[in-house]
Amino acid sequence: EAGVTQFPSHSVIEKGQTVTLRCDPISGHDNLYWYRRVMGKEIKFLLHFVKESKQDESGMPNNRFLAERTGGTYSTLKVQPAELEDSGVYFCASSPTKGPTDTQYFGPGTRLTVL
Amino acid sequence: AQSVSQHNHHVILSEAASLELGCNYSYGGTVNLFWYVQYPGQHLQLLLKYFSGDPLVKGIKGFEAEFIKSKFSFNLRKPSVQWSDTAEYFCAVSAYSSASKIIFGSGTRLSIRP
Repeated sequence: EAGVTQFPSHSVIEKGQTVTLRCDPISGHDNLYWYRRVMGKEIKFLLHFVKESKQDESGMPNNRFLAERTGGTYSTLKVQPAELEDSGVYFCASSPTKGPTDTQYFGPGTRLTVL
Repeated sequence: AQSVSQHNHHVILSEAASLELGCNYSYGGTVNLFWYVQYPGQHLQLLLKYFSGDPLVKGIKGFEAEFIKSKFSFNLRKPSVQWSDTAEYFCAVSAYSSASKIIFGSGTRLSIRP
């Protein structure tokens, strides 16, 4: 079974540019999560999709971040315009059902560097 | 607010030494508790988890953790570490009722001297 995949693995952009990150969850997983780790800090929750619906977007830092999951399969996270403080590693995770015993499976992350 | 505190930022041990990584959490309700590990160049992966029942949880690669409710702690232990245990370890918590967002600690980097 294929795991969670993310693309690209690395992205280097200049301040003010736009970047789109993609996450493909494990097939059949309804739940998809985005997290971010800024250098030296903890991994922080950004948002949670159940199928194509945003269940919880309390962690999204501001309106420069837009997440979508059209059709309830893969998800994209767009940052527009990017700022220096957006640099970090963006993780995606998925889980099969929404319940107390679910395990979230993480992707390898996308390392974003904003210059 | 929910939070997780990991006591050590960086731990250095020799092979065969015993390991205990401290973790305390703050959450006003029933929780799920996790330890995740990220080996160099690899994905975050689940080491072990606690949902209910026996507070002593056994995970992969000889790791175990004990949930002490009265202390809000979930310390990770391994009796004898190997060089291959070199990694970053994350303690984490989520609300039992929703199992949605996970709150992570800041991570502990473990370095094992061969």
